[in-house]
Amino acid sequence: AQTVTQSQPEMSVQEAETVTLSCTYDTSENNYYLFWYKQPPSRQMILVIRQEAYKQQNATENRFSVNFQKAAKSFSLKISDSQLGDTAMYFCAFMKPHANTGTASKLTFGTGTRLQVTL
Amino acid sequence: DAGVIQSPRHEVTEMGQEVTLRCKPISGHDYLFWYRQTMMRGLELLIYFNNNVPIDDSGMPEDRFSAKMPNASFSTLKIQPSEPRDSAVYFCASSPQGGRGYTFGSGTRLTVV
Repeated sequence: AQTVTQSQPEMSVQEAETVTLSCTYDTSENNYYLFWYKQPPSRQMILVIRQEAYKQQNATENRFSVNFQKAAKSFSLKISDSQLGDTAMYFCAFMKPHANTGTASKLTFGTGTRLQVTL
Repeated sequence: DAGVIQSPRHEVTEMGQEVTLRCKPISGHDYLFWYRQTMMRGLELLIYFNNNVPIDDSGMPEDRFSAKMPNASFSTLKIQPSEPRDSAVYFCASSPQGGRGYTFGSGTRLTVV
């Protein structure tokens, strides 16, 4: 079974600074997807960024980027120019495509990192 | 696109009562997932459907839990009888084909007293 580990329960960053959240995972699969989700106090789960394991290029979405190290099974999230609205729980998640169809299947989540952005 | 719609947003019920949570996925999404979030266990998958057919229900805790998807635009998660340990936030999510990630609903906070 796949596992996802987020070793930083809480982090804090000042507004406009950069912060990196760590995530490691364990799998024997070669083809999979990785995600970062954000959960603000409203509790809505919001997709931040995704990475396909077969792509070497790191995904980027505006101020959010990842450092995907497949051999090390590491998938960290970098938030640049942090804003107060980035305050939230951040969850790393892993998806192995369905064995028969290669399509969507279950997301396995880490335990989350609570990020606080301060003035 | 209104996103994934869940109802109710909050539910408080007494132990032993039946609880029904509802979900309307995004039109055109082939997959629907039910997740439960608690402080102790985090986010855990209960069941998911593909084209209205249950694919994996191994996460359903026990026979008190049941889920249905009678058509592509509606799903229910029922707990009968409810117990205090069922108190959690229940999320519904939907997804198109492939690994594009889910879109989650706003969740239902269930409290069983």
